[in-house]
Amino acid sequence: EADIYQTPRYLVIGTGKKITLECSQTMGHDKMYWYQQDPGMELHLIHYSYGVNSTEKGDLSSESTVSRIRTEHFPLTLESARPSHTSQYLCASASPISTEAFFGQGTRLTVV
Amino acid sequence: SQKIEQNSEALNIQEGKTATLTCNYTNYSPAYLQWYRQDPGRGPVFLLLIRENEKEKRKERLKVTFDTTLKQSLFHITASQPADSATYLCALATSRGGNTPLVFGKGTRLSVIA
Repeated sequence: EADIYQTPRYLVIGTGKKITLECSQTMGHDKMYWYQQDPGMELHLIHYSYGVNSTEKGDLSSESTVSRIRTEHFPLTLESARPSHTSQYLCASASPISTEAFFGQGTRLTVV
Repeated sequence: SQKIEQNSEALNIQEGKTATLTCNYTNYSPAYLQWYRQDPGRGPVFLLLIRENEKEKRKERLKVTFDTTLKQSLFHITASQPADSATYLCALATSRGGNTPLVFGKGTRLSVIA
């Protein structure tokens, strides 16, 4: 089992709410990623980071933001949730010398 | 445009047979290609990596081939078991230094029938 944790596992919130999805890893990995995945569909990269104070946007346009203040922590924030944000959000990390990505269990978000 | 295609959404095979999954890509020059397994409601789990200068990689009952001329990777599971039932994803990275994020295909859902 990889040492990467996402909370919460499931979240149902109302439209317009601000939410933060948490992701932490204990492997000391510099590289961390957020992917969004709808059922039966491919993973879409929404944000990534190669170290503290480094963040980049991915291919999928998203109204979310991320921060990387500590190596082990990479939270994703939605300032104003919309029903179109309903999806599964997957966090992953990788070491500088390895290309293998370790994924968390995911957060399934439903915006009503 | 860049595209990764996995041959079919679903594949059903009998227990004991070899499952073969295909990953084709266009407009990429991948430095390496990876295969992951994903179970329902869980994050993907890494299985195998093959580099652009490698033709074949094996790990237990798994085998991956990589043909950069055909722009294709084949993923084989020999002596398949019902426990192998899952979605299998291929992923590409274009940077040799590993400094570009992985791009994933949609996956093939494999069902192994006892």
